[in-house]
Amino acid sequence: KAGVTQTPRYLIKTRGQQVTLSCSPISGHRSVSWYQQTPGQGLQFLFEYFSETQRNKGNFPGRFSGRQFSNSRSEMNVSTLELGDSALYLCASSLRPGRETQYFGPGTRLLVL
Amino acid sequence: DQQVKQNSPSLSVQEGRISILNCDYTNSMFDYFLWYKKYPAEGPTFLISISSIKDKNEDGRFTVFLNKSAKHLSLHIVPSQPGDSAVYFCAASDGGSQGNLIFGKGTKLSVKP
Repeated sequence: KAGVTQTPRYLIKTRGQQVTLSCSPISGHRSVSWYQQTPGQGLQFLFEYFSETQRNKGNFPGRFSGRQFSNSRSEMNVSTLELGDSALYLCASSLRPGRETQYFGPGTRLLVL
Repeated sequence: DQQVKQNSPSLSVQEGRISILNCDYTNSMFDYFLWYKKYPAEGPTFLISISSIKDKNEDGRFTVFLNKSAKHLSLHIVPSQPGDSAVYFCAASDGGSQGNLIFGKGTKLSVKP
């Protein structure tokens, strides 16, 4: 079974731009979560989607948004990029929300200049 | 306020010996715990999990111990191998209302030949 895939793997943007990252979950997985990892920090939860609905949201500003499609693929969008948004963005999928193991993709490395 | 803490940022162990990675949590609602291993520029890889109804779970060289009264869990790797050198993250979930994982900041394990 193919794992979680994320595109693009690397991205360079400038301040004020916006960016869209994509995630394809493991086949059959319907829950997708997004995390941000910055140097010195653990993984910080952004949001979780299940059945095209945002189920849960972390403590991030409204510039961070996401959505999930009927095939469970998910996108996240960051508008008006700031230097501090430079990070590794990780997507994880699981069969369903709750007490389930989440499997991570390789991440998208975003650099904001 | 960090709900999941990994107080040792790094750990160095000789090949063949035991590696013990520790994790403490504060939220008594957490009932599902996981360990992930992460190499640079890759997404976290799931290692092992434990439900709060158990106090031990084994998978090959990896064993996770859970002490609910102390709100403490540990990952034992025996015997340690150089390929185990990576950052290890502890994560917790309350499974019910909040499906997202709360991560510690990680412990960098170095296994020396």
